[in-house]
Amino acid sequence: GDQVEQSPSALSLHEGTGSALRCNFTTTMRAVQWFRKNSRGSLINLFYLASGTKENGRLKSAFDSKERYSTLHIRDAQLEDSGTYFCAAVASSGSWQLIFGSGTQLTVMP
Amino acid sequence: GPKVLQIPSHQIIDMGQMVTLNCDPVSNHLYFYWYKQILGQQMEFLVNFYNGKVMEKSKLFKDQFSVERPDGSYFTLKIQPTALEDSAVYFCASSLASIQDTQYFGPGTRLLVL
Repeated sequence: GDQVEQSPSALSLHEGTGSALRCNFTTTMRAVQWFRKNSRGSLINLFYLASGTKENGRLKSAFDSKERYSTLHIRDAQLEDSGTYFCAAVASSGSWQLIFGSGTQLTVMP
Repeated sequence: GPKVLQIPSHQIIDMGQMVTLNCDPVSNHLYFYWYKQILGQQMEFLVNFYNGKVMEKSKLFKDQFSVERPDGSYFTLKIQPTALEDSAVYFCASSLASIQDTQYFGPGTRLLVL
């Protein structure tokens, strides 16, 4: 089965509200990256975490390798936050590859 | 932020032909990657490359695939010969260090094999 399970698959928010995206891992991961895919299909880097939490503006991410999950919190959502968000994790088995989640399609409404 | 460029953005070829996808990684990066995304499916790892060698490849990296970066120029993915199932978007990525560093992705090359 999939090693990275991302939820929800779709999320609608009103401007000014917030929510959280989550990725659960079926195995221990070494690190996680979060991306947003823009309208042109490019992957924009949001966070890289090997542990703990990071915050950047209205976004905050956490990664717990032992508990096998990562979260991305969005607060005070704006229209321009709309897009598809992906988590991708690096397995701890010595692999080099990023294992991607299936994405969360976020729509921010006025 | 750091930019990875990919050329061409789109490519249409006939089955059996050879195709080369080009990636211009971030200038001081040392590790290079290719990922493949079939329409409607998740992005999947193909291969990573460091110091002139393939370090890891997935089962998707068929014998018809090869990668190289001659003399620090483009990092390329060559498919010879192409098959219908090679139709996908191919993303290049690079990182400064190894698995303990952020991978930066290009915008992708959309390959259609007819």
